[in-house]
Amino acid sequence: QSAPTQPASVSGSPGQSITISCTGTSSDVGGYKYVSWYQQHPGKAPKVMIYDVSNRPSGVSDRFSGSKSGNTASLTISGLQAEDEADYYCSSYTSSSTMVFGGGTKLTVL
Amino acid sequence: QVTLRESGPALVKPTQTLTLTCTFSGFSLSHSGMCMSWIRQPPGKALEWLARIDWDDDKYYSTSLKSRLTISKDASKNQVVLTMTNMDPVDTATYYCAWFTSDYYYMRVWGKGTTVTVSS
Repeated sequence: QSAPTQPASVSGSPGQSITISCTGTSSDVGGYKYVSWYQQHPGKAPKVMIYDVSNRPSGVSDRFSGSKSGNTASLTISGLQAEDEADYYCSSYTSSSTMVFGGGTKLTVL
Repeated sequence: QVTLRESGPALVKPTQTLTLTCTFSGFSLSHSGMCMSWIRQPPGKALEWLARIDWDDDKYYSTSLKSRLTISKDASKNQVVLTMTNMDPVDTATYYCAWFTSDYYYMRVWGKGTTVTVSS
């Protein structure tokens, strides 16, 4: 199972919006609604920000949104804040009943 | 409130077998729909999903590591155990356990992780 492809890095200024893509296959990202996104600050455990493509868990800011088209899922963060600077990972359920994580994207807030 | 805590050796030698334990509270792994996974992260690298065990004892493994992994549970002790055989320096990583449910396949709660170094 190959990891979905994410850009290695993205950046934006405070207040701007950024989008992180996650490109998989029809056996994972494209085939299921079970795409999730995780935020990870240095030295910390990941935290879920989006599940089932576009749903936010309770307590997650509505500045975070998710979508999917075909085999590519996307995470958009609007109104960038300094605290958003972190690594972001997509994850998907797969046709083998396993899970797979993307390669990760480092977000820098300029 | 669900909490998870990983435990195990901080240092193992090459070729040894690693045994990690995840001790949890706030739910019962005997309850229908409850699932646990192990995930690891080498220093400076991406998350890698390793294994999953469900309430009904179904088990699933990473294709690339399947031959080396065994996941098991002791619901009465609220523990999930992962063993990985034939450890190599490339297996040096922080190992996390995480809880999820079969109706929503995302890791709802993570442990803080335990760091394992493989070195002679």
